[in-house]
Amino acid sequence: EAQVTQNPRYLITVTGKKLTVTCSQNMNHEYMSWYRQDPGLGLRQIYYSMNVEVTDKGDVPEGYKVSRKEKRNFPLILESPSPNQTSLYFCASRTLRDSYNEQFFGPGTRLTVL
Amino acid sequence: GQNIDQPTEMTATEGAIVQINCTYQTSGFNGLFWYQQHAGEAPTFLSYNVLDGLEEKGRFSSFLSRSKGYSYLLLKELQMKDSASYLCAAGGATNKLIFGTGTLLAVQP
Repeated sequence: EAQVTQNPRYLITVTGKKLTVTCSQNMNHEYMSWYRQDPGLGLRQIYYSMNVEVTDKGDVPEGYKVSRKEKRNFPLILESPSPNQTSLYFCASRTLRDSYNEQFFGPGTRLTVL
Repeated sequence: GQNIDQPTEMTATEGAIVQINCTYQTSGFNGLFWYQQHAGEAPTFLSYNVLDGLEEKGRFSSFLSRSKGYSYLLLKELQMKDSASYLCAAGGATNKLIFGTGTLLAVQP
C-alpha cells in the first residue's frame, strides 16, 4: 500500500530533550516536506527536500533540523525542544515527475513539550 | 506576497448544498488544491484545478478562475460525515503548496 508513515504518533517530552520524528514514504517520491499545524494558523511548512541531500527552509524553520540521506526517509529533529513547538506535525511527499503535484500526508505526530 | 483566504466556519443542513470560497495570491501559480481534514487526522486530497472551469467528482465539485484568483468547493447532498475542515491550497513557485487556515464545516441534521 502506497503510504507515508510517521513515528511516533504521540509524544510528550520536556524542554531541552532532543527528539527525532521519523518520516518514511514508499512511493519513490522526490519531494518531501514537514508541516506544523496550529489552531487558527493552518498548515505551515517547516522544511522541504527536493531530492537526496537537498533540503531547504520553509516558512517556520527555526528550532528544527532535517536530513535526507535516503530518498524514502526525511526525519525531523528538534535539538532543544521548547513549549512553543507543541503542535501537530505532518510529513508529506509527492512526485516531481509531472506537474500534477498532489501531496500525500502522513498520519500526523502530536507533540507536547512541557 | 502569498496569501490564501477562506471563511473560518460554515454551517449547513444535511442533504443541502454548500459552497466554500477561497481567494489566493501566489507567485508562480501552478494549481489549486482542496483537501478535507477531520479533526486530528491527516488532510486527504479532494480535488485539483489548474485550468479555469469546473471539475466534478461525485458529490464534490471545484471551480477555478485564474484571472480572479478565486476558487470554490461545492459539496452536494451533504452528509453528517462531511463535517470537517476544508483546506484550500495553492501551488506556487519552488513546488511549494501554500495552505489557507481552513474552513470548518458543521453539517446539522
